Amino acid sequence: EVQLVESGGGLIQPGGSLRISCAASGLSVSRNYLSWVRQAPGKGLEWVSTLFSAGATYYADSVKGRFTISRDDSKNILYLQMNSLRAEDTAVYYCARDPNGWPDWYFDLWGRGTLVTVSS
Amino acid sequence: EIVLTQSPGTLSLSPGERATLSCRASQSVSSSSLAWYQKKPGQAPRLLIYGTSSRATGIPDRFSGSGSGTDFTLSINRLEPEDFAVYYCQQHGSSRYTFGQGTKLEIK
Repeated sequence: EVQLVESGGGLIQPGGSLRISCAASGLSVSRNYLSWVRQAPGKGLEWVSTLFSAGATYYADSVKGRFTISRDDSKNILYLQMNSLRAEDTAVYYCARDPNGWPDWYFDLWGRGTLVTVSS
Repeated sequence: EIVLTQSPGTLSLSPGERATLSCRASQSVSSSSLAWYQKKPGQAPRLLIYGTSSRATGIPDRFSGSGSGTDFTLSINRLEPEDFAVYYCQQHGSSRYTFGQGTKLEIK
């Protein structure tokens, strides 16, 4: 079965760091366009970051310079390293796959999410 | 940066009725990069429509998408109880994905 499973969320103090993971099965992280999308409590979906199969990375302005997306091809895991966390980063973080990239650009596979709470 | 504005914010309908959800872009969007998702509490988003009008795998033909340029529509015929959820449109441009703010479809 093709699936994405997030983990690593939790309660973290403002200014702290946290790394969340997305374990892929049935697909290779190195050959797919993978992204992180988040949903704050009571809010809508917000794209966070994308890692292309060739290695290029992209970030939303709200997290640029604080978050880093990466992958471990040998473990087939996607990561999101989050530094200098703020209360407004509190959200459920979803891992998602774009099956094609250009020209269609959509997410056909999603994980169930991991909750990150930034609070003192 | 392209902004997607969805309307209405909340749509109250009864099972069996037809729903029409709107997504308006602040500038012209490629039809190939407009998608729609369904989101229920505690669940992952579910892809409904991609490329403006192509249904994703397993999506019933009650769901249809249309539009071009800056105006796009998701239509749901003969609403079923499981269709009541929040719906998001999404596009891609300038190396980023953008979502609309969502339309909540609630039971009247």
